[in-house]
Amino acid sequence: ETGVTQSPTHLIKTRGQQVTLRCSSQSGHNTVSWYQQALGQGPQFIFQYYREEENGRGNFPPRFSGLQFPNYSSELNVNALELDDSALYLCASSLTGGDPEAFFGQGTRLTVV
Amino acid sequence: GQNIDQPTEMTATEGAIVQINCTYQTSGFNGLFWYQQHAGEAPTFLSYNVLDGLEEKGRFSSFLSRSKGYSYLLLKELQMKDSASYLCAVRVHASGGSYIPTFGRGTSLIVHP
Repeated sequence: ETGVTQSPTHLIKTRGQQVTLRCSSQSGHNTVSWYQQALGQGPQFIFQYYREEENGRGNFPPRFSGLQFPNYSSELNVNALELDDSALYLCASSLTGGDPEAFFGQGTRLTVV
Repeated sequence: GQNIDQPTEMTATEGAIVQINCTYQTSGFNGLFWYQQHAGEAPTFLSYNVLDGLEEKGRFSSFLSRSKGYSYLLLKELQMKDSASYLCAVRVHASGGSYIPTFGRGTSLIVHP
């Protein structure tokens, strides 16, 4: 158990819909990162939030957006869902933005039909 | 962009030693990570190398050569529970003081009796 919890664990959405995934960071961690992991692939970095500000972004379109709240919990929002968005979405928290050790949640399995 | 290469699959015998290699091409290098991911579970942090050399942590060791763009993860005294995917990830220092991680596809290690 890492202390990082994600909800929901599984989700089925229809193409074109919008989805919000949630992540509760480990206590004391002010940095959260979100990843997309397709089957058989490594996690792909979506973006990172540090103290409620986005401070790093991977190669994902603007329809992937996020928020971090004062208690450091976080949301990932995806608009206009596409079939290729079907994946495991992982969040990871770390003590600071520069801390190399990140603790991952169990992920949300998103299926877009 | 970053390019990370690691073998897709390896097999080894319980009690043996296995070395999983990772090569990378990147600019702005700021560290290399190894994570372990069991099927259906979240990745867990194993090691972090930012300087050349060997880092040892129990049965696991990780080596880095920045000039060669090369790392390996060494697992000794293999146990059946070591069967998992091993992810190599490189972190680069991006503008604004952020860090962007890039994961490889992972090496699926199968340990047999």
